[in-house]
Amino acid sequence: SQQGEEDPQALSIQEGENATMNCSYKTSINNLQWYRQNSGRGLVHLILIRSNEREKHSGRLRVTLDTSKKSSSLLITASRAADTASYFCATDGTDSWGKLQFGAGTQVVVTP
Amino acid sequence: NAGVTQTPKFRVLKTGQSMTLLCAQDMNHEYMYWYRQDPGMGLRLIHYSVGEGTTAKGEVPDGYNVSRLKKQNFLLGLESAAPSQTSVYFCASRRRKGYEQYFGPGTRLTVT
Repeated sequence: SQQGEEDPQALSIQEGENATMNCSYKTSINNLQWYRQNSGRGLVHLILIRSNEREKHSGRLRVTLDTSKKSSSLLITASRAADTASYFCATDGTDSWGKLQFGAGTQVVVTP
Repeated sequence: NAGVTQTPKFRVLKTGQSMTLLCAQDMNHEYMYWYRQDPGMGLRLIHYSVGEGTTAKGEVPDGYNVSRLKKQNFLLGLESAAPSQTSVYFCASRRRKGYEQYFGPGTRLTVT
């Protein structure tokens, strides 16, 4: 079974707009990570937020985490056509082995 | 550095055939993982290894075996392929004292 549920499944926006996607999970976590996957490629790590953090920024990315609601959101500001990809949240559990559990992903299309 | 590489990139098998997927990393990472990705789903962990000579089961291990004889290589074997194993397989690695996983480009396997 998958740990995370992502919402929306797909998102279509224009360049310059912001993209927001949400992730919910079920069990206790050590941290939550977001990855990007371009079509036909492997996943690339974007950002990590620890369970004791509430918000984190990296360039045009902003991640929030609400452990009481077991949810996270990823905001991409000022989207570019190059941001077109699938985005996955992944939870890292409380053991130390890095066994990530992925959501089903949000497919983002940014049109010029 | 090549990062994480996977061999082969594509493969078609008949039901009952066997094959081995090879993952190699040149980052001296201690931990390595095999995931599968099916349409509309996130990645699911098959097996993982936290060091040379060690392996452990993930979420969906049935029908697969693994070996980690050398630190840089992690092999995934299918002894008797089934159509349900049609998928894209990703290998990943990470440092023991780290969280970010580095992914290979994937192997697309079709079992007919």
